[in-house]
Amino acid sequence: AQSVTQPDIHITVSEGASLELRCNYSYGATPYLFWYVQSPGQGLQLLLKYFSGDTLVQGIKGFEAEFKRSQSSFNLRKPSVHWSDAAEYFCAVGASGGSYIPTFGRGTSLIVHP
Amino acid sequence: NAGVTQTPKFRVLKTGQSMTLLCAQDMNHEYMYWYRQDPGMGLRLIHYSVGEGTTAKGEVPDGYNVSRLKKQNFLLGLESAAPSQTSVYFCASSKALGSNQPQHFGDGTRLSIL
Repeated sequence: AQSVTQPDIHITVSEGASLELRCNYSYGATPYLFWYVQSPGQGLQLLLKYFSGDTLVQGIKGFEAEFKRSQSSFNLRKPSVHWSDAAEYFCAVGASGGSYIPTFGRGTSLIVHP
Repeated sequence: NAGVTQTPKFRVLKTGQSMTLLCAQDMNHEYMYWYRQDPGMGLRLIHYSVGEGTTAKGEVPDGYNVSRLKKQNFLLGLESAAPSQTSVYFCASSKALGSNQPQHFGDGTRLSIL
């Protein structure tokens, strides 16, 4: 079975600073990987996804993520954070062979200081 | 573009009362899911459905029942509400079979059990 770990419960950055949110997965084959964002009082919105091909994927709102097989990681990055990026971020992993339900990490809460 | 709509958005119940949460999607998606979200726990899958007339248990199904009589609707029922079921409930849907399908989420139902 697949699993995903988001090591950081909270991350605090200043507006304009760069951001990296960590995600580590456990799965024997090539996984399907997702990042979702949840703004306060709302549901989850897909930021980006990785299935195959280029290991650097671009998403919405200026986010990107890089799949590193050797490190079992799929970290989310943004070069310059805006105050509106303050939200909860979830990494999810789906198994490429059989299981149809992605597994979610516990989330990382991003706090942005002005 | 409605997407996934959850009804109601807020509800307060007394212990032992019953209620039904409604999820409706207008994207003709095959898969539908119910999750609960608790602080520090991320999203936990309660039940899911792979098509009209079918349901299956997820990670935390006890105390809940579901029905999918119509493809566009997925109902979550609490027969006898307990304080441990105080949570935020999210419905999601996805297009087809395969864990490479991103999920589309509703805005959640905030449920308090007194």
